[in-house]
Amino acid sequence: KAGVTQTPRYLIKTRGQQVTLSCSPISGHRSVSWYQQTPGQGLQFLFEYFSETQRNKGNFPGRFSGRQFSNSRSEMNVSTLELGDSALYLCASSPDLGMNTEAFFGQGTRLTVV
Amino acid sequence: EDQVTQSPEALRLQEGESSSLNCSYTVSGLRGLFWYRQDPGKGPEFLFTLYSAGEEKEKERLKATLTKKESFLHITAPKPEDSATYLCAVQAYGGATNKLIFGTGTLLAVQP
Repeated sequence: KAGVTQTPRYLIKTRGQQVTLSCSPISGHRSVSWYQQTPGQGLQFLFEYFSETQRNKGNFPGRFSGRQFSNSRSEMNVSTLELGDSALYLCASSPDLGMNTEAFFGQGTRLTVV
Repeated sequence: EDQVTQSPEALRLQEGESSSLNCSYTVSGLRGLFWYRQDPGKGPEFLFTLYSAGEEKEKERLKATLTKKESFLHITAPKPEDSATYLCAVQAYGGATNKLIFGTGTLLAVQP
C-alpha cells in the first residue's frame, strides 16, 4: 500500500512569490492535515480537510490556504512568500475525521525562501 | 491551553544502555497520544497511539506507556539505528478534528 506522497520534495522561491504544494493521501484515506515544521517552533498545525471542506484551521495568516479535491488529494498555497515561511511542510493522512485513528505523514516538502 | 512538553531535549546513550523519554501533557480531554520517530530531512514515522491511562504498547525495542498526565517511551538495549528525534503529540476531544499538538521532541543519539 503506497504511503502519503508529497510533491515536490524541495522548492526554492523568492520573497513575494507564491507556491503550491501537493499531497496525495494513502488510498482510502479521506482526511488530510497540513503542518509546518521549523527548528524554532516545531510542528505547527496549519489546517485540515475532509470531504473537500476545510474543517479546522491553525493560527496562521490568510496567506496560507488550501483545498481538497474529490479524490482526497490536497494542495496548499502560500502567497506573498516571506523569509520566515522557509520550513518543512508536512501532510498527514487519516482514514476518517474525529475518530480514534492514526495519522501518517509524508516525507514533506522543504521550502526555502530567499 | 493544550500543551505538550518533552524531556530531555537531547539524550546520548551507549549501545545497550536502556533509558526512557518523557512526554507530559495538558489537554482538556485526551482522545489519543501519539509517538512518532523522525529522521533528519524526513517526515515523522508513526510508532504508537495510546488512548487511555494504563495502556501500554510495544514494538521491537520500544515500549510506550500512558498515565493521566504523561507518557513514557522506554527504549531497551538501543542500537545506533534507533538514533532519531522522537516526537510526542496529543489529540484532544472537541469536535470532529484530527489536529495534533506536538511537543518539540527528544533528539536521541545512540553510540556504538
